[in-house]
Amino acid sequence: SQKIEQNSEALNIQEGKTATLTCNYTNYSPAYLQWYRQDPGRGPVFLLLIRENEKEKRKERLKVTFDTTLKQSLFHITASQPADSATYLCALDGGMDTGRRALTFGSGTRLQVQP
Amino acid sequence: DTGVSQNPRHKITKRGQNVTFRCDPISEHNRLYWYRQTLGQGPEFLTYFQNEAQLEKSRLLSDRFSAERPKGSFSTLEIQRTEQGDSAMYLCASSLGQHGQPQHFGDGTRLSIL
Repeated sequence: SQKIEQNSEALNIQEGKTATLTCNYTNYSPAYLQWYRQDPGRGPVFLLLIRENEKEKRKERLKVTFDTTLKQSLFHITASQPADSATYLCALDGGMDTGRRALTFGSGTRLQVQP
Repeated sequence: DTGVSQNPRHKITKRGQNVTFRCDPISEHNRLYWYRQTLGQGPEFLTYFQNEAQLEKSRLLSDRFSAERPKGSFSTLEIQRTEQGDSAMYLCASSLGQHGQPQHFGDGTRLSIL
């Protein structure tokens, strides 16, 4: 069956360090992968999208990689700040072979940046 | 604010009652999605609309759940004969119609079943 795995344990890092979050998937051939941020009691907020033919995408302090051979995406936040503390979700579409438009989300990884 | 709006933010009801939630998407977005989220989990897809047409429904969407988007703008999600297991955050999102567009989420309706 299809599965998306994100580290369920919280990631604690010191301010200024780089946070790296992992998203692994099985039995998918997604056309693209998205990362979202979610704060308690709020809806997810879109951060970055990367397509299957892209290896890396950057936006300000954020970087996403996408390895379709390893079936893995890495999400990096450089120079992390306490304000980056939140839960980060990865999401995949069903892929062009299924035509499924809705996203399937991982369970998210909670990031805590200590001042 | 021109983001996705959901009402009510909180709903507390007794088991067996019917509830209805409303979602107002971003005006130029023709796709609208409903998700359900429980504590510690990511959002789970329920259904989505392209304009007024409901194009996909999850197996999670039992017969007690119905969604509409009558004029291709706002949408409602109704749950009939609520059960304890329906307690969750119900999230609405909207996007442009092309494949691979980011989804913009509202802040959800938290449903609590007594």
